[in-house]
Amino acid sequence: EPEVTQTPSHQVTQMGQEVILRCVPISNHLYFYWYRQILGQKVEFLVSFYNNEISEKSEIFDDQFSVERPDGSNFTLKIRSTKLEDSAMYFCASSADSAQETQYFGPGTRLLVL
Amino acid sequence: GDSVTQMEGPVTLSEEAFLTINCTYTATGYPSLFWYVQYPGEGLQLLLKATKADDKGSNKGFEATYRKETTSFHLEKGSVQVSDSAVYFCALSPHGSGNTGKLIFGQGTTLQVKP
Repeated sequence: EPEVTQTPSHQVTQMGQEVILRCVPISNHLYFYWYRQILGQKVEFLVSFYNNEISEKSEIFDDQFSVERPDGSNFTLKIRSTKLEDSAMYFCASSADSAQETQYFGPGTRLLVL
Repeated sequence: GDSVTQMEGPVTLSEEAFLTINCTYTATGYPSLFWYVQYPGEGLQLLLKATKADDKGSNKGFEATYRKETTSFHLEKGSVQVSDSAVYFCALSPHGSGNTGKLIFGQGTTLQVKP
């Protein structure tokens, strides 16, 4: 069964460093999402992406965040200058051919900023 | 804004017990409602969904009914198994023009089923 994959599974970085979290969505999907979950808190929407552009972003998704689909398979989240409060589990998700379709989630990347 | 509230966990049950996890929502319009499950070390998986009032979603013995009058989508299962131990998330997706499909999640409820 097709699945969303994410790399790395864990990332430790120093405050102020740039990190890139990578996702490979399901191959025929057109809608892509990033969510995050700070330990002990809710899963929060960050950004949605369709047709090579951001379709919606949350207040969390400020100028230090960016997303990209550099080729036909990868979908990346870049955090330009990490802060301690960026430590969280980051989930990528994709859905097929409409914003109402079921979203399929990856296993997540646990980011720890020291 | 739109939000989802779930009952606090953890919920600890014996095998074959009846399960209810409460979920209520606040939203404008008519959102779609979802239950996602997260098993240890894995990503979120869709368990069931309902897209309009009075719809019942069901899967793997779990059920939830979209109740517009009480703005609720409670998850139930008649007889839980040890393998149901996981974290359960209630979520909504707003409807309306410009909807991008984003999901708004509750805080998650941990279920532990003991043999």
